[in-house]
Amino acid sequence: QSVLTQPPSVSAAPGQKVTISCSGSSSNVGSHFVSWYQQLPGTAPKLLIYDNYARPSGIPDRFSGSKSGTTATLTITGLQTGDEADYYCGTWDNSVSVVFGGGTKVTVL
Amino acid sequence: QAHLVQSGGGVVQAGGSLRLSCVASGFSFGTFGIHWVRQAPGMGLEWVGVTSYDGRNNYYADSVKGRFTFSRDNSQNTVSLLMNSLKPEDTSIYYCAKGQRAAAFYTLDHWGQGALVTVSS
Repeated sequence: QSVLTQPPSVSAAPGQKVTISCSGSSSNVGSHFVSWYQQLPGTAPKLLIYDNYARPSGIPDRFSGSKSGTTATLTITGLQTGDEADYYCGTWDNSVSVVFGGGTKVTVL
Repeated sequence: QAHLVQSGGGVVQAGGSLRLSCVASGFSFGTFGIHWVRQAPGMGLEWVGVTSYDGRNNYYADSVKGRFTFSRDNSQNTVSLLMNSLKPEDTSIYYCAKGQRAAAFYTLDHWGQGALVTVSS
């Protein structure tokens, strides 16, 4: 059981938009920066969003993040087949640990 | 560009030990914390712990506390994970990952390629 709650899966057609929620509590999402990681099949996770909404160099602006209270959201617009992957949110918890969501599988229909 | 290369991994019997290594390049290694994260087959990410930039402060997940130990050699840009008393439920791909700036040390901005550890019962 993950500390952060994500939907197991989302799907949409190419070019459409998907949103992935990440629900936590005041001891984690509500108090600390949230990051998002993309894990393509068979590869290591990659940082996609940090500090709730910032993008590392090379990440297209089709990926955006936001946070309100104890819920963070990842939005992918202009969905592409190459976006099919597992997406994880992560942050720090005041219990002295990094916590992750259970992961969301994005499927492009 | 930061780069982390892992080695080690393999098959070990329950109760045995294994050491993983993570060699870094492309950044000032002695300035950043290094995390370990694992992923059981078909499952999500689980944080294992973090070693501070100087190796003096280590934090472990409850699931591995007392069995796993981090060490780092900043002169060799290397971090190691020593796993003792391994259990079948420790079977996972283990990743090392670089922590970001101090104010967000828990943001993992570069990851190693992973090392598979299989614990047989």
